This record gives sequence, structure tokens and C-alpha cells, in this order.
Amino acid sequence: QKEVEQNSGPLSVPEGAIASLNCTYSDRGSQSFFWYRQYSGKSPELIMFIYSNGDKEDGRFTAQLNKASQYVSLLIRDSQPSDSATYLCAGTSSNSGYALNFGKGTSLLVTP
Amino acid sequence: IAGITQAPTSQILAAGRRMTLRCTQDMRHNAMYWYRQDLGLGLRLIHYSNTAGTTGKGEVPDGYSVSRANTDDFPLTLASAVPSQTSVYFCASNPGGQPYGYTFGSGTRLTVV
Repeated sequence: QKEVEQNSGPLSVPEGAIASLNCTYSDRGSQSFFWYRQYSGKSPELIMFIYSNGDKEDGRFTAQLNKASQYVSLLIRDSQPSDSATYLCAGTSSNSGYALNFGKGTSLLVTP
Repeated sequence: IAGITQAPTSQILAAGRRMTLRCTQDMRHNAMYWYRQDLGLGLRLIHYSNTAGTTGKGEVPDGYSVSRANTDDFPLTLASAVPSQTSVYFCASNPGGQPYGYTFGSGTRLTVV
């Protein structure tokens, strides 16, 4: 089974700090990677996607991809209590059309 | 309808019963997916469909079947429910053809007793 691995957490950061979420993947055929945020009892919502090596910034969020190391990360600057949620990393599957393989998620807690 | 609609929102089902979870989208997305989400196991792909008339098996297809008669609808059927199928089920879609992110439905919480 081709996997996406995440530390389950919880990751606790103080308000205003940078939260760093990490993900590794085993499917070398994965082309694109996605970060989703999921609040308890809700469905996942897309934050960012990245498909090229390097950094991609969108507001307070920066996604980083290193295909050689099979590593993806998400940085959240100026973390807010409303950012407290579970963050899911996902990569495209090389054998299920364009389906996504999801990690189990990292729980983030931003404390006031 | 705006986006993806799943029904029912929640259901308690007796073991051995047949159940169809409904999923309808109004975005004309080609690709649709069914996942189950269990505590500690994350989101796991059950079945997918890249376009109307085609379906494929995901990571955990046993005990489930799907059909894709048209672009908008992608029902998931449990032929004979078992307690291990207790889960939250999410339907998702994307335009297909390129790796796009998903739009998710709001989920169906199913309890098999």
C-alpha cells in the first residue's frame, strides 16, 4: 500500500507563532500534493495544493515540496485559535486515476 | 443544490440490511470518489469513478458497490451491512483529467448494529 505519513500530534503552538506540519509519502508516482483542514465533525476543506519542488505561499500558509526526499510540509504563520483543527496531507495516487491518498492527519492546537 | 449533497446525514442500520448512500453533485465534475473515515485510520478510498459509466476499486472496496449512470450521481451500496462498516462516509468530486483538489460532501455517519 502506498502511504502518506503524518505525525498524529497533537501539535500545540501559542497564538501568533508559526505552526509547522510535516508529511512524507512513499508513492514516487505522486504528482501533486494537497493540504486539507478538517474541523471536528465537519468535512475536509482544501487549503493549498503544490506540484512543483519548492515553496508556494498563499496568505498565512506556505506549502513546501521536496520530491527527492518525498517530503511535503505546511507552515502556518501568525497562528490563530481558529486554526485549531486536524490537517490532512494528501498525494495523488499513481494507480487509482486521480484519486488522493490521505495521511491520517495531524491535530493542531493553537493556544491563546 | 450547491456543490455535493450526501444523504442521509446519519443512519443507524441493523446488520445484514442493505443500504444505499446517496451522493449528488451539480458542478458537472467528471470524477467522483467515496471514502470512509475512521478514528486512527484516516480517510480511505472505497471506490472511484473517473467519468460517467466507469468505476474503479480503491483501498477498501469489499462489501461495497457503486454505479455511475450519469455525471451527477454516485451512489454507494452496502449489500449486507456489518458492524465493521460503521464509519463516516464522505463523497468527493473534482473536474478530473488533471490532479485537482476535491470538493467534499458533508458526510454520512453510519452506525451498523
